[in-house]
Amino acid sequence: AQSVTQLDSHVSVSEGTPVLLRCNYSSSYSPSLFWYVQHPNKGLQLLLKYTSAATLVKGINGFEAEFKKSETSFHLTKPSAHMSDAAEYFCVVSDPWNTGNQFYFGTGTSLTVIP
Amino acid sequence: DSGVTQTPKHLITATGQRVTLRCSPRSGDLSVYWYQQSLDQGLQFLIQYYNGEERAKGNILERFSAQQFPDLHSELNLSSLELGDSALYFCASRQGSNTGELFFGEGSRLTVL
Repeated sequence: AQSVTQLDSHVSVSEGTPVLLRCNYSSSYSPSLFWYVQHPNKGLQLLLKYTSAATLVKGINGFEAEFKKSETSFHLTKPSAHMSDAAEYFCVVSDPWNTGNQFYFGTGTSLTVIP
Repeated sequence: DSGVTQTPKHLITATGQRVTLRCSPRSGDLSVYWYQQSLDQGLQFLIQYYNGEERAKGNILERFSAQQFPDLHSELNLSSLELGDSALYFCASRQGSNTGELFFGEGSRLTVL
């Protein structure tokens, strides 16, 4: 079965400092992995996705994530936080062969950016 | 803008009532997913439709039902509403049945009083 664990429910960083949001996954085979961002009272927006191509994935707004199979991790990083990055972030693993639910969402990490 | 449209954006109703939430997927997307997001339960998968047919069912209550029409828009019907049904309901679409990423609408916020 697939599952996702976001290791931090809340992360606070100062503006201009690096961001690290941690995600570990469980999958019985090579998964597709995604990071979504949700700003207050908004829908979820795709930041980036991994689908078995390059292990370092670049996304929108300067975010990137590295797929590490040996560590079953897919951590999200950004070199320099901006105030507009304050939001909820969700790590998602996809199981296309499941006849039921195909997307497994983490519980989310709330990112606060301190001016 | 994801291209997925949901209406209404906000809805306030009373316990015992029935509401219908509507979703128009991105142009060309055949799959529609419904999710419920609440503070205590997080993001819960409700149901998926693909090209008009139910494809997968999640934690959807019997009081809830959905359908996807020939023009591919979808409706989620919530009946005999309870206070605990207050939540943000998201629709998402994707092109295929089991490939590609989800594109989310902005959600319908339901408040049951």
